Amino acid sequence: EPEVTQTPSHQVTQMGQEVILRCVPISNHLYFYWYRQILGQKVEFLVSFYNNEISEKSEIFDDQFSVERPDGSNFTLKIRSTKLEDSAMYFCASRVEGALEQYFGPGTRLTVT
Amino acid sequence: SQELEQSPQSLIVQEGKNLTINCTSSKTLYGLYWYKQKYGEGLIFLMMLQKGGEEKSHEKITAKLDEKKQQSSLHITASQPSHAGIYLCGADIGAGNNRKLIWGLGTSLAVNP
Repeated sequence: EPEVTQTPSHQVTQMGQEVILRCVPISNHLYFYWYRQILGQKVEFLVSFYNNEISEKSEIFDDQFSVERPDGSNFTLKIRSTKLEDSAMYFCASRVEGALEQYFGPGTRLTVT
Repeated sequence: SQELEQSPQSLIVQEGKNLTINCTSSKTLYGLYWYKQKYGEGLIFLMMLQKGGEEKSHEKITAKLDEKKQQSSLHITASQPSHAGIYLCGADIGAGNNRKLIWGLGTSLAVNP
């Protein structure tokens, strides 16, 4: 069964460094999402992406964040200058056109020290 | 804005007992997801409900969406230690192609052998 994959599973970085989190959505899906979950808190929507542009972004998704679909398979989340409070689990999700169900990847745990 | 409230926040049951977790929305639900999560780990998809009155089962877990589509319940029959974890409900919101998920805080379940 097709699934969303994410790499790396765990990323440790120093404050101020740039990180890129990678996702490979399911191949025929057209809508892509990033969510994050700070440990012990709710899962929060960050951004949705369709047709090579951002559809919607939350207040969390400030200028330090960017998303890109550099080729036909990858969907990336970049954080330019990480802060301690960016430490969280980041989930990528995708869905096919015409259906509601979002399929989630296993997540990337980002630790900023 | 739409909010999801889960109850109870935590639950400890004896192995073999039945239990119910509730998820209540401030607005009509158009897609309601149930996920299971081990603390600090990824999201395991359980079920998705869309229609009022819909009920789905997987092994010993049954989820229902009420007719008014504002409340969902997750029922576990004859609980086992393997059922322990955090149960999250997520709701699909938005319009047209601009959709995203909002989440409850989760219900932490412990099952004592």
